[in-house]
Amino acid sequence: NAGVTQTPKFQVLKTGQSMTLQCAQDMNHNSMYWYRQDPGMGLRLIYYSASEGTTDKGEVPNGYNVSRLNKREFSLRLESAAPSQTSVYFCASSGLAVNTGELFFGEGSRLTVL
Amino acid sequence: AQSVAQPEDQVNVAEGNPLTVKCTYSVSGNPYLFWYVQYPNRGLQFLLKYITGDNLVKGSYGFEAEFNKSQTSFHLKKPSALVSDSALYFCAVRDLRDYKLSFGAGTTVTVRA
Repeated sequence: NAGVTQTPKFQVLKTGQSMTLQCAQDMNHNSMYWYRQDPGMGLRLIYYSASEGTTDKGEVPNGYNVSRLNKREFSLRLESAAPSQTSVYFCASSGLAVNTGELFFGEGSRLTVL
Repeated sequence: AQSVAQPEDQVNVAEGNPLTVKCTYSVSGNPYLFWYVQYPNRGLQFLLKYITGDNLVKGSYGFEAEFNKSQTSFHLKKPSALVSDSALYFCAVRDLRDYKLSFGAGTTVTVRA
């Protein structure tokens, strides 16, 4: 079972470059999320999509955009990367209609911005 | 707003001893509470959750957690720790009315042989 698949796993960018992190889930889940993980800060929600066709800002949306392409796919775009966006990014999905919260996570994408 | 506090950055125990990882939460409505574990260079894995009902919740790998509404706590416990339990543990909370899950900063558990 693939679960949640993120690409790429590693990426190095220069300041000002753009890139898109891809995420796909094969569990027919309604909700999808993007988090970033920084040492000592836990996971912080960037954006989420409660269902296909909707997206909402999380705690730290500045500098990011998202697209819920279809039910399976949820991408995160950095239009002009900054060193502060150096982090590990996790995509997650959740399938229960009442959202009792069990999230399934991808393996992470490690991004370094120079 | 909802939030989670994990007061200990690190917990060190000897193998075979009880393990406790502390978590307190703040939420305006009824909470959904979760524990996740992260092994090095991996994504988070779900351990257990409290939604309603019995305050003692049992989960994967022999872990359990106790929901205490008056103390707004949800501590993770394991009666006898294993070296393989060494990992980063996250507590998380969701308000019943919300889709967003808020995580604590994490507690690194080290179990020595």
